[in-house]
Amino acid sequence: GENVEQHPSTLSVQEGDSAVIKCTYSDSASNYFPWYKQELGKGPQLIIDIRSNVGEKKDQRIAVTLNKTAKHFSLHITETQPEDSAVYFCAAHDYKLSFGAGTTVTVRA
Amino acid sequence: DGGITQSPKYLFRKEGQNVTLSCEQNLNHDAMYWYRQDPGQGLRLIYYSQIVNDFQKGDIAEGYSVSREKKESFPLTVTSAQKNPTAFYLCASSMGGPDSGTDTQYFGPGTRLTVL
Repeated sequence: GENVEQHPSTLSVQEGDSAVIKCTYSDSASNYFPWYKQELGKGPQLIIDIRSNVGEKKDQRIAVTLNKTAKHFSLHITETQPEDSAVYFCAAHDYKLSFGAGTTVTVRA
Repeated sequence: DGGITQSPKYLFRKEGQNVTLSCEQNLNHDAMYWYRQDPGQGLRLIYYSQIVNDFQKGDIAEGYSVSREKKESFPLTVTSAQKNPTAFYLCASSMGGPDSGTDTQYFGPGTRLTVL
């Protein structure tokens, strides 16, 4: 089955700097890659997603890139703000969603 | 308000008891899912249902059971056979199932189950 690895497990950035989270996947059949943000005690919230026929997608300060050849995809957050502090999960979808272990992002004011 | 609701938010259970977690959605989604989340880990799929009266096991179905009698509802029962049930349980739904192209999953707020 699909195996998703996510790095780093924790990330601390200064407010205004960029944050980058990277994920790799194992199943070349995976064709859909969502990213979720989870705040403490809440359910994950979809923040951006990308399908395999697209290499990059942007939504304001958030962008996702996909390299199908290398089987990795990344989340980029620019101009980080304190409200960006949360746990972020990547996922890859072949016949079901497989999640990475999560990255705890802390934005220092 | 459209969305996914889960109840209760917190649940305490004694060892040996079965307990049922509620999940309801008013998004008119066909597919629904149950995940388990443990501290420091990603989400693991317990069961999913693509249509009423049909459901499939996920990666960690042992000790759990589900039903899908209505499109809006997908309750999860944690049975006494589940050896380590303390966890955060998340329900999700999507318009279509896998391979439908409309499989973006949206999550509820979760239920935290603690076994005493």
